Amino acid sequence: QQQVKQSPQSLIVQKGGIPIINCAYENTAFDYFPWYQQFPGKGPALLIAIRPDVSEKKEGRFTISFNKSAKQFSLHIMDSQPGDSATYFCAASKTSGSRLTFGEGTQLTVNP
Amino acid sequence: NAGVMQNPRHLVRRRGQEARLRCSPMKGHSHVYWYRQLPEEGLKFMVYLQKENIIDESGMPKERFSAEFPKEGPSILRIQQVVRGDSAAYFCASSPGHQPQHFGDGTRLSIL
Repeated sequence: QQQVKQSPQSLIVQKGGIPIINCAYENTAFDYFPWYQQFPGKGPALLIAIRPDVSEKKEGRFTISFNKSAKQFSLHIMDSQPGDSATYFCAASKTSGSRLTFGEGTQLTVNP
Repeated sequence: NAGVMQNPRHLVRRRGQEARLRCSPMKGHSHVYWYRQLPEEGLKFMVYLQKENIIDESGMPKERFSAEFPKEGPSILRIQQVVRGDSAAYFCASSPGHQPQHFGDGTRLSIL
C-alpha cells in the first residue's frame, strides 16, 4: 500500500529556477515529514524536516510548505543550481513508530 | 564525526550463497534501521533495532532474511540462500532516538 505519493517523477529546470516537488500522504497518524537528497552511489542525506504544528519551514534555499488539512507537503528549492541535480525523496513517520515511509522519488536536473 | 559506516560497499554473490551486510551507527546512536532500494524506486523499510532488540521487523521478508544488533559490534543484515530478486541497494540508518535518521552510503548487492 503506497502511503506517500510523490510527484513529479522527474523535473528539469534552468539554473535560478524554483523547482517544486509535491507529496501527499494518507495516514493521519504521521507527524514527522523529512526530505532527503540522494546523489548517485550515495545514501540519502537529510535536507530539511517539518512537523505538522507549522505550515512552513525554511533552511537556506530549501523550503517545506505543509498543508495539514489536505495532507500534502512540498519542497521548494530557491535559486536552483546545477549542483542541486539529484534525486529527492519525501518521507513520513509517526514519531513514536520511527519507521520512515518514503515517496518514490523525484529526479531533478538543473541545467546551467 | 564519522557518519554511518556500511560495508562492504559492493557485494557479489551467486544464487544460493549467503550475504552479510554490516552497519556501524554514528557515535552515540543506539537505534538502527535497514531499508532496501530497488532500481528506480524509493526506499522500503525492512527492520528497526535497538541494542540486542528487534523493535519492528514488519518490513522483513518472512524467510531467508534476519537482522541483529549485538551489544558489541555492528548491526548485521543477513540474507541466506540469495536469489536474483535480492539484488538491490541496502541502506542502514541510525538515530539517537526516533528521529532524525542519518543514512550510510549503502551496500550494493548483486546476485549472479
